[in-house]
Amino acid sequence: NAGVTQTPKFRVLKTGQSMTLLCAQDMNHEYMYWYRQDPGMGLRLIHYSVGEGTTAKGEVPDGYNVSRLKKQNFLLGLESAAPSQTSVYFCASSYGRPLAGRSDTQYFGPGTRLTVL
Amino acid sequence: QKEVEQDPGPLSVPEGAIVSLNCTYSNSAFQYFMWYRQYSRKGPELLMYTYSSGNKEDGRFTAQVDKSSKYISLFIRDSQPSDSATYLCARFSGGYNKLIFGAGTRLAVHP
Repeated sequence: NAGVTQTPKFRVLKTGQSMTLLCAQDMNHEYMYWYRQDPGMGLRLIHYSVGEGTTAKGEVPDGYNVSRLKKQNFLLGLESAAPSQTSVYFCASSYGRPLAGRSDTQYFGPGTRLTVL
Repeated sequence: QKEVEQDPGPLSVPEGAIVSLNCTYSNSAFQYFMWYRQYSRKGPELLMYTYSSGNKEDGRFTAQVDKSSKYISLFIRDSQPSDSATYLCARFSGGYNKLIFGAGTRLAVHP
């Protein structure tokens, strides 16, 4: 049981380049989330998904797109990277509606460090 | 005003000290709070969660919520160097288990 994994761990992009970050979870969780973490700002929600084929905007969605074609995977895309997108990106997942004996907390991946030059 | 405010620290204490970490929140809806611990260059992991007011204890850790003052606290007794990490408080923000996080407080426990 690997939990939540993220690919890649590190990446350096030039302004205007595109890339996709992959998040995978093996806990059969319904909900998945993408956050960015910046110094002094804490974790801010970019996009989230409540099930396969669904996506929704979070607090800071501009400049990012997401897709959830399979329940276990959640992809975050940057179409034209900007220096303001330099950050550490975290993916998280959680069960859907809480049931007795089952936590509705979010489980986080190890993060992707992205630098945009 | 941020919905969840947290002093970023850093907080440096000697081993064995009692540590108090605090957050304030502005929205009284959804009285469900969490504390996450994040080691350097790692993802956050859930430490404790608590509903509404009162205390919840788990080993050396105690989470406390004071609804009247909108204050959330995490106490660490007999602190250890392995407790050195950033501690994030979070508030449940409604549907789909979404959370609003504080900026995190960096704690260093020195031997």
